Amino acid sequence: AQSVTQPDARVTVSEGASLQLRCKYSYFGTPYLFWYVQYPRQGLQLLLKYYPGDPVVQGVNGFEAEFSKSNSSFHLRKASVHWSDWAVYFCAVSIPSLGKLQFGTGTQVVVTP
Amino acid sequence: DPKIIQKPKYLVAVTGSEKILICEQYLGHNAMYWYRQSAKKPLEFMFSYSYQKLMDNQTASSRFQPQSSKKNHLDLQITALKPDDSATYFCASSQGGTSAETLYFGSGTRLTVL
Repeated sequence: AQSVTQPDARVTVSEGASLQLRCKYSYFGTPYLFWYVQYPRQGLQLLLKYYPGDPVVQGVNGFEAEFSKSNSSFHLRKASVHWSDWAVYFCAVSIPSLGKLQFGTGTQVVVTP
Repeated sequence: DPKIIQKPKYLVAVTGSEKILICEQYLGHNAMYWYRQSAKKPLEFMFSYSYQKLMDNQTASSRFQPQSSKKNHLDLQITALKPDDSATYFCASSQGGTSAETLYFGSGTRLTVL
């Protein structure tokens, strides 16, 4: 069955440090993959999306993600974290046969001074 | 200005009552969705509609009924409310309804059932 796994429920990072959030997917075929961000008391917003092609995808606010078919992964990175990046980040895989996105459980990012 | 409007923002209900959650989108999209977020299941797909037709229903209980009176409206009626229904309900939309599209979310309705 198709699924998305985000192994880290919470990540704490110092402001200015780099950030990597992990995402593993299980899907037979080449998927479409997404990262969404949820700021406090708001709905989700798209950060970036991967369609088959260049494995490195650039998103908003300095985020990028790299697709790896061999590792079944789509990890999110940012070189220098800002306090405003304090949010929950969701990885999602597109399931065309079901016509919907399957979301992971989310990773809470906490930014410390 | 918000392009997806959900009303109300907060809702408190008593067990056994019925409530309607409102969602309107002004993005010109043809597909709309409902998701539920709670401590038990972080983001759970409930329904999808495309061109006002139900495409997918992953909600086991018939107490949850989507209602689409116009193409840009998808309300959610919940009957016989239970404390377990306490969650934040998000409405979303996309251009055509394929899973490869970007979803746009409203800011949610936080429902508390006492």
